Amino acid sequence: GAVVSQHPSWVICKSGTSVKIECRSLDFQATTMFWYRQFPKQSLMLMATSNEGSKATYEQGVEKDKFLINHASLTLSTLTVTSAHPEDSSFYICSAKRQGQHQHFGDGTRLSIL
Amino acid sequence: AQSVAQPEDQVNVAEGNPLTVKCTYSVSGNPYLFWYVQYPNRGLQFLLKYITGDNLVKGSYGFEAEFNKSQTSFHLKKPSALVSDSALYFCAVSFDASGGSYIPTFGRGTSLIVHP
Repeated sequence: GAVVSQHPSWVICKSGTSVKIECRSLDFQATTMFWYRQFPKQSLMLMATSNEGSKATYEQGVEKDKFLINHASLTLSTLTVTSAHPEDSSFYICSAKRQGQHQHFGDGTRLSIL
Repeated sequence: AQSVAQPEDQVNVAEGNPLTVKCTYSVSGNPYLFWYVQYPNRGLQFLLKYITGDNLVKGSYGFEAEFNKSQTSFHLKKPSALVSDSALYFCAVSFDASGGSYIPTFGRGTSLIVHP
């Protein structure tokens, strides 16, 4: 149980394109979803925390207009990287949790901007 | 404020030997402690957690960790390493901020390499 699906797993696109990444909790209702960014050989950097039906809380230094997060339901959150540029290339990971439970992670999305 | 330290970037161990991946933490109040494993190009998989109770916690794939309050440590251990255990291991700490809602802070990760 407690499966989190993240899609797509890999995306390559041109500079200036907007890219949407989906994160779904398949068998539980997630009260909170998290979005992380991971650089090679580095730890996870928390980008934002989102609760269903409310605006995401962004960490300091993360541009909310650049990284749009929508948490429309208890099983789906999306991260849209708007007007992506090569410096946005990274591994993006989502996680989801229920109240009082630990996080369950998706398998990540490798984003490559040409 | 909360923080977690994984002092080793890399741990090398021979297959069949015991392994230890170190983690120390700093948190206000009682800690919630976690270990996750990450395989290449994958998300994090939960291994085990300490919330309360017995200081020795047993988790997935034969891993265990011991909570040591006096040393503020939560080292990950396994009696006999497998080559397939080679991966990136993350320690995380949080505390119960409000009725079961918590956001963990992750360590920088330790790369475990098990040699055949």
